[in-house]
Amino acid sequence: DAMVIQNPRYQVTQFGKPVTLSCSQTLNHNVMYWYQQKSSQAPKLLFHYYDKDFNNEADTPDNFQSRRPNTSFCFLDIRSPGLGDAAMYLCATTREAGGGTEAFFGQGTRLTVV
Amino acid sequence: GESVGLHLPTLSVQEGDNSIINCAYSNSASDYFIWYKQESGKGPQFIIDIRSNMDKRQGQRVTVLLNKTVKHLSLQIAATQPGDSAVYFCAENQAGTALIFGKGTTLSVSS
Repeated sequence: DAMVIQNPRYQVTQFGKPVTLSCSQTLNHNVMYWYQQKSSQAPKLLFHYYDKDFNNEADTPDNFQSRRPNTSFCFLDIRSPGLGDAAMYLCATTREAGGGTEAFFGQGTRLTVV
Repeated sequence: GESVGLHLPTLSVQEGDNSIINCAYSNSASDYFIWYKQESGKGPQFIIDIRSNMDKRQGQRVTVLLNKTVKHLSLQIAATQPGDSAVYFCAENQAGTALIFGKGTTLSVSS
């Protein structure tokens, strides 16, 4: 059974049109992460939530925002998608932050910008 | 900045051979390491992990070795099968920080 669920699996959006990707988890984990993965590259951390505490990576563009309304759900908002934002977006969870806890990943959302 | 990386971008092996995928890390404060397998179009899948107080850990057909002296991590896959074909990432996770990935090695297994 899927424990980290991302919707949709594939998303096509227009250049400059806001888009939201969603992630839900059934693990009741405290920490949720969003990664961006471009073709043939490693996943790159955008930000993460420890409970309700938001932690942004220094090099994450302002164009990317996130919301976590409750433990189970986390959203990635791209305010004005550019062609360079086309990528796979991965959501992950851990029980606690860092220090030896396994991260569980969703299947990802493949974003295409046209 | 400090990061986790892999030595080779690709590795090709014959079915039944043993595979060794290597990773070098630079952050001496790292205390937890994970190997992930990612198949095309899917999210990373946990394979095996190791804490910094260990130098070897075995799973089913997989072994992870950690050499803290030279900051080196390796994944050994015994009797490699076509289903093992994927991209393999090492990642580090230390207390208070998020999981950081290395660049990945693409393993191709031919029959």
